[in-house]
Amino acid sequence: DAGVIQSPRHEVTEMGQEVTLRCKPISGHNSLFWYRQTMMRGLELLIYFNNNVPIDDSGMPEDRFSAKMPNASFSTLKIQPSEPRDSAVYFCASSPPGLRGYEQFFGPGTRLTVL
Amino acid sequence: EDQVTQSPEALRLQEGESSSLNCSYTVSGLRGLFWYRQDPGKGPEFLFTLYSAGEEKEKERLKATLTKKESFLHITAPKPEDSATYLCAVRTTTSGTYKYIFGTGTRLKVLA
Repeated sequence: DAGVIQSPRHEVTEMGQEVTLRCKPISGHNSLFWYRQTMMRGLELLIYFNNNVPIDDSGMPEDRFSAKMPNASFSTLKIQPSEPRDSAVYFCASSPPGLRGYEQFFGPGTRLTVL
Repeated sequence: EDQVTQSPEALRLQEGESSSLNCSYTVSGLRGLFWYRQDPGKGPEFLFTLYSAGEEKEKERLKATLTKKESFLHITAPKPEDSATYLCAVRTTTSGTYKYIFGTGTRLKVLA
């Protein structure tokens, strides 16, 4: 299996621009998570989906952030408009159904820099 | 407020020098404690999950233990390839919804 796939791997944009991060979970996994990692705050859960339905979005920092999961094999995290404080590494993770549902498989991350 | 604290922030060991990493937690309803390893420039990699006090899990030179207030990750006779950041996370439940909280990690450097 290819693992969790994220794109782009690096994104540099200017303040005010729209940014879209993409994630393809592992086939057969039914939960998907979006995290943000910074030196100051560590790894923070932004939102997670179960069977394509958003379950908890309490970690989404502001209305500028939105996430969608139109089908089981694709999710997006959008920031509009972007701000310099959004600079971070964004990870997507997925987990399988059943007894191993606690085990999250992380993608390689997208390093976002907002100038 | 649910909280996860890891210590120390950084640790340098000589190869073969055993030690322990600590993860203390304050949560309202624990539904699992997890350890991950993260290498530079990569996503975290799952190591262990623990559910109840007294539980232990082992994998090669790593052993994770759990009490009601903290978890330890014991590293026995570490090798340079064990150098990484080790993250602890808890899963809690509130009104039927799971929440996941990560600690800020311990950066481990093992010197040859």
